[in-house]
Amino acid sequence: NAGVTQTPKFQVLKTGQSMTLQCAQDMNHNSMYWYRQDPGMGLRLIYYSASEGTTDKGEVPNGYNVSRLNKREFSLRLESAAPSQTSVYFCASLDRGLEQYFGPGTRLTVT
Amino acid sequence: EDQVTQSPEALRLQEGESSSLNCSYTVSGLRGLFWYRQDPGKGPEFLFTLYSAGEEKEKERLKATLTKKESFLHITAPKPEDSATYLCAVQLSGGSYIPTFGRGTSLIVHP
Repeated sequence: NAGVTQTPKFQVLKTGQSMTLQCAQDMNHNSMYWYRQDPGMGLRLIYYSASEGTTDKGEVPNGYNVSRLNKREFSLRLESAAPSQTSVYFCASLDRGLEQYFGPGTRLTVT
Repeated sequence: EDQVTQSPEALRLQEGESSSLNCSYTVSGLRGLFWYRQDPGKGPEFLFTLYSAGEEKEKERLKATLTKKESFLHITAPKPEDSATYLCAVQLSGGSYIPTFGRGTSLIVHP
């Protein structure tokens, strides 16, 4: 089992560019999450998907869109990147015991 | 207002010097409390789940305990490899499975 995988690991964008962060899990979990982590702010939920075909906004959804492509994959899209979106992005999935499994993260810099 | 507060923000220990990290929560209707370890540049890694007051879980030098208002992560005779940020999260009983994370305690163990 690879667990939760994320691509890319690093990305530099210019203001206004768009990109999609990919996430996949092979643990047959129903729920998946996208977080951003900034120094001093902890983990903040961007979007959440309880199951295939459903998505809900989290604490900081502005500037982002998501797609739950199937049970395995949950992507995060930045349509027009802004410097405020410079952060580390983590994808996670939820096991039956309610613990989350996280991917290795994507480090995004917007200049 | 934070529902999950971790203290201290940072902790420096000498190898072998036991201590405890605190996670206090103000929510009612706790579904579960979770501890994670996060190494620099990596995603959080699940450690423990506690479901009810009085419950305890152990793993190597770590022991997690839970009361009605807080959880402690006790570290006995720590080693430098225990250096990491430790995150606490709570899930409320109810419909959605969205955890609330604390901001973490950064632990450094000096040899």
